[in-house]
Amino acid sequence: GAVVSQHPSRVICKSGTSVKIECRSLDFQATTMFWYRQFPKQSLMLMATSNEGSKATYEQGVEKDKFLINHASLTLSTLTVTSAHPEDSSFYICSAEDLLNTEAFFGQGTRLTVV
Amino acid sequence: GDSVTQMEGPVTLSEEAFLTINCTYTATGYPSLFWYVQYPGEGLQLLLKATKADDKGSNKGFEATYRKETTSFHLEKGSVQVSDSAVYFCALIPWDKIIFGKGTRLHILP
Repeated sequence: GAVVSQHPSRVICKSGTSVKIECRSLDFQATTMFWYRQFPKQSLMLMATSNEGSKATYEQGVEKDKFLINHASLTLSTLTVTSAHPEDSSFYICSAEDLLNTEAFFGQGTRLTVV
Repeated sequence: GDSVTQMEGPVTLSEEAFLTINCTYTATGYPSLFWYVQYPGEGLQLLLKATKADDKGSNKGFEATYRKETTSFHLEKGSVQVSDSAVYFCALIPWDKIIFGKGTRLHILP
């Protein structure tokens, strides 16, 4: 089946630095990708919808200048956490839909720890 | 390791039919269980959840009961509507990472 690769799976960074997370669709083209955040033992929170070639649509309460999303091609979307702080520590996961929107596939997730 | 298995789709029903989407899981400990729904062109939305055995989650006419003895969390609705057409994902949170099933696409015919 289709695969979505998310990288890195785990990252530790210092406060004030930026971290980039990649989400790639390996064997299909994804016009739409979604970025989610999950706190321990809690459900997912949709952060933004990323459409290839256009600006991402952010959910209410998500700082677009802090969580930069770029969807430069049909197979790659990136989430950059800028000037990271310990409260940004979380599990981030992406999902991608194929062109026909017939299925959604999830990345493996990224565990971000800001120290 | 921890995993979620849900019935494959697509599932096609007529309006007002009874719906069951099966979900079983394997996990150590006492995970929380969730059902998410994704409508066309939209992100996931939390539909319902249960955090301990015998809990019943419910929302919008959908229900699911956390059955530890059968390691199941089947989604049910007594009378589906065309607007329920979507993809449904069962999910497991054992601690700090969410694990999804592969999703079940539901088509409701008028």
